[in-house]
Formats: sequence, C-alpha cells, structure tokens
Amino acid sequence: GESVGLHLPTLSVQEGDNSIINCAYSNSASDYFIWYKQESGKGPQFIIDIRSNMDKRQGQRVTVLLNKTVKHLSLQIAATQPGDSAVYFCAEKDRGAQKLVFGQGTRLTINP
Amino acid sequence: ETGVTQTPRHLVMGMTNKKSLKCEQHLGHNAMYWYKQSAKKPLELMFVYNFKEQTENNSVPSRFSPECPNSSHLFLHLHTLQPEDSALYLCASSQRVGGEETQYFGPGTRLLVL
Repeated sequence: GESVGLHLPTLSVQEGDNSIINCAYSNSASDYFIWYKQESGKGPQFIIDIRSNMDKRQGQRVTVLLNKTVKHLSLQIAATQPGDSAVYFCAEKDRGAQKLVFGQGTRLTINP
Repeated sequence: ETGVTQTPRHLVMGMTNKKSLKCEQHLGHNAMYWYKQSAKKPLELMFVYNFKEQTENNSVPSRFSPECPNSSHLFLHLHTLQPEDSALYLCASSQRVGGEETQYFGPGTRLLVL
C-alpha cells in the first residue's frame, strides 16, 4: 500500500470530471489488490479487485489499472458524482498470505 | 448494508471499565477479522479467526481479548484500556482466510477512552 504519512492525500475534482486515485505498493509478491471506499461514519466498502495476472479491470463507472513493473495501482472513476466523496483505500495481499495490507487512503472531494 | 453488523456504534469508557464489542455477519463466511482504524495510520489488522480458530494475533496488547463462539459472531472484550486506544474498531468477514478473498466490513464502533 501507500507509504504511511502524517497527512491523508487529497484529491479535489469537479463534478462530472473523471478522477484518478493512485496507489504505490512495494511488495513484488503481492498478487491480489482491492480498492475500498469509506464514507464518513461507515466502514470500508468493496469497490473492485484485480489479480496480478491482469492489468485492467472495469466495473460500473470504475476501472482499476495495475502496473506490476512499477508496482502501481490506480482507480479511475468516470463522471464523478457528489456521492463519490469519500476516502479511497487500496489493499494488497501477498501470495500465500492470509491478510490484506492497507494503504493510507486518499480523500476524494467533489466540487459542484 | 454489507451484511456485517457491529454494536455498539459508539462507546465511551473509562480506563478502569470493562466493555465488549460485538460483530455479526450474515454472509455465511468462515473468516472474521478485527481491525483498528486511527487517525494518521493505515488500517491495522488485530486478529483473524478462521472457522472459529484464531489464526493471527498481530502483537495486540492483552487488554484486547477476542472471542469467536461461532463463524457468525465475533467479540472484542476490552479492559483497562488507555486513551491511545481510542479509535474506530472495524470488523470484517470473508469466505475463508487466504486466497483472493474479498473482506466485507461492518460500520465500526467508534471508541473513546477517557
């Protein structure tokens, strides 16, 4: 996941624009990746996942891209809506491990 | 709703109190997890249970005591906590431990230790 920092990275976008949230990971043995969305007062909610044998996966209005060469994961949200405002976490899992490792998260704010 | 419920949603306790957090999952999963989420830190895994057996204790202080009576229920017993234990405690479940198993989270219990 993302390196731990003192401040939560933030991204502000205009309503209707596309959003791209990035995540860097360091474990080359990670073979499974998930994006979660956490709204205020709620627990993390599963958005989309991707396995290491893929480099792209699409869902409803969301696309996850995986670049294993540079250990980079991104979440693209099309036509961002006010309801997309939340903190977005990436999580990775090592091949054979039993636990997910979460990144710090990125706060997405939608401007009207 | 994700199918994972947690009670209470909010809890304030003194350092000498004993309280318990409850988690229930209605997804037919076999693995359950406790996480701690505090400001300025990534989600921290605390405990993992697979088919009611604890498979991971992530160096959690003994003032946190988990209990898993069956695959659907998970408790976290709290005693003599410290103010730095104030955080959001999240429960999650997955079909099983390991593999490419998505974890589904409950809404969390917001804990404040005075």
